[in-house]
Amino acid sequence: SQQGEEDPQALSIQEGENATMNCSYKTSINNLQWYRQNSGRGLVHLILIRSNEREKHSGRLRVTLDTSKKSSSLLITASRAADTASYFCAPTNQAGTALIFGKGTTLSVSS
Amino acid sequence: NAGVTQTPKFQVLKTGQSMTLQCAQDMNHEYMSWYRQDPGMGLRLIHYSVGAGITDQGEVPNGYNVSRSTTEDFPLRLLSAAPSQTSVYFCASSRPREGYTFGSGTRLTVV
Repeated sequence: SQQGEEDPQALSIQEGENATMNCSYKTSINNLQWYRQNSGRGLVHLILIRSNEREKHSGRLRVTLDTSKKSSSLLITASRAADTASYFCAPTNQAGTALIFGKGTTLSVSS
Repeated sequence: NAGVTQTPKFQVLKTGQSMTLQCAQDMNHEYMSWYRQDPGMGLRLIHYSVGAGITDQGEVPNGYNVSRSTTEDFPLRLLSAAPSQTSVYFCASSRPREGYTFGSGTRLTVV
């Protein structure tokens, strides 16, 4: 299975701290995407990194991709209580036609 | 700007009944997918489509049928509902190799 596997499964931090989530996958990808899900809601696309990219930034988000190690990381800087959510890594199949999700990392940011 | 619309939002079925979960998008996206989300399991891909008339199986296709007669619509049919199909179902769409837009989900209970 191409399923992304996130680590850690749960993360608790204080406001202002940085949060780092890691993802590993098994086969070749076209791109890898990260999503956020607030409790009981739909998923929101955060960032997409293509297989020929190594790093990408979007606001307080920084994503890295190492295709040789088949791994990615998501860094959220200066976390806020509103960042409390589940975060999912979703590598695509090689054709880029479908996403396969992992089980996610649950992030809790306390004030 | 409706995005991805899923209906119904909630449904209770009896074992053996059939039903169709509706998904419509108004963004002219070529790619559409169906996922189910169970506690602790993340999202699992049921079926996906890369365009009208083209569908393919995902990770957990058994017990579900799909069709894609138009670009806008991608209905998911449960042929004979089972308690194991109790879940939250999400539909998503995207342009090729871009981030997906998710619907708000259908919460299905099979008794």
